[in-house]
Amino acid sequence: DAGVIQSPRHEVTEMGQEVTLRCKPISGHNSLFWYRQTMMRGLELLIYFNNNVPIDDSGMPEDRFSAKMPNASFSTLKIQPSEPRDSAVYFCASSLVTGVRSEKLFFGSGTQLSVL
Amino acid sequence: AQTVTQSQPEMSVQEAETVTLSCTYDTSESDYYLFWYKQPPSRQMILVIRQEAYKQQNATENRFSVNFQKAAKSFSLKISDSQLGDAAMYFCAYRAGQGGSEKLVFGKGTKLTVNP
Repeated sequence: DAGVIQSPRHEVTEMGQEVTLRCKPISGHNSLFWYRQTMMRGLELLIYFNNNVPIDDSGMPEDRFSAKMPNASFSTLKIQPSEPRDSAVYFCASSLVTGVRSEKLFFGSGTQLSVL
Repeated sequence: AQTVTQSQPEMSVQEAETVTLSCTYDTSESDYYLFWYKQPPSRQMILVIRQEAYKQQNATENRFSVNFQKAAKSFSLKISDSQLGDAAMYFCAYRAGQGGSEKLVFGKGTKLTVNP
């Protein structure tokens, strides 16, 4: 398996522009997570989905952020409009969660977002 | 809310020596999981070791072992025979047990330098 695939790897944009980050989870995994990493705040969970349904979006900073998971193999994180303080590394991760146990979390390589 | 604290922002070790990274956490739950992740400069998040709270035996993975003190809410990582490739950021993380939230709560990380 290719693992969790994120695109783009790097994104540079100007303040006010719309940014869309993409994620393809590992085939067969039913939970997907979006994390943001900054020097100041470390790794923070933004939102996670289970079976394509958002379960916890309490970490989404504000209305400028939105996430979707239209099917089991694709998710997007959108920022509109973007601001310089959104500059960070955004990670997508996936895992298989069953009624009995949760398997380990696999991370993508992250998207380095720079908002100028 | 659960919190994870890593009190050592930076640590260094000589190649072939042993180093211990500290982690404490706060939770009112009795069932949970604890993890150590490694993040090298490539930015990839790599699972190093995992501990289930109900297991009294400390987890071990080759040169990596943990000292899990449930009563003290302490979860330290010991790296034996340190290698240059061990240089990275190390993150301690907490996740609730079965039936709880699937999200990982991370500490701020410890930067490990390995000196030749």
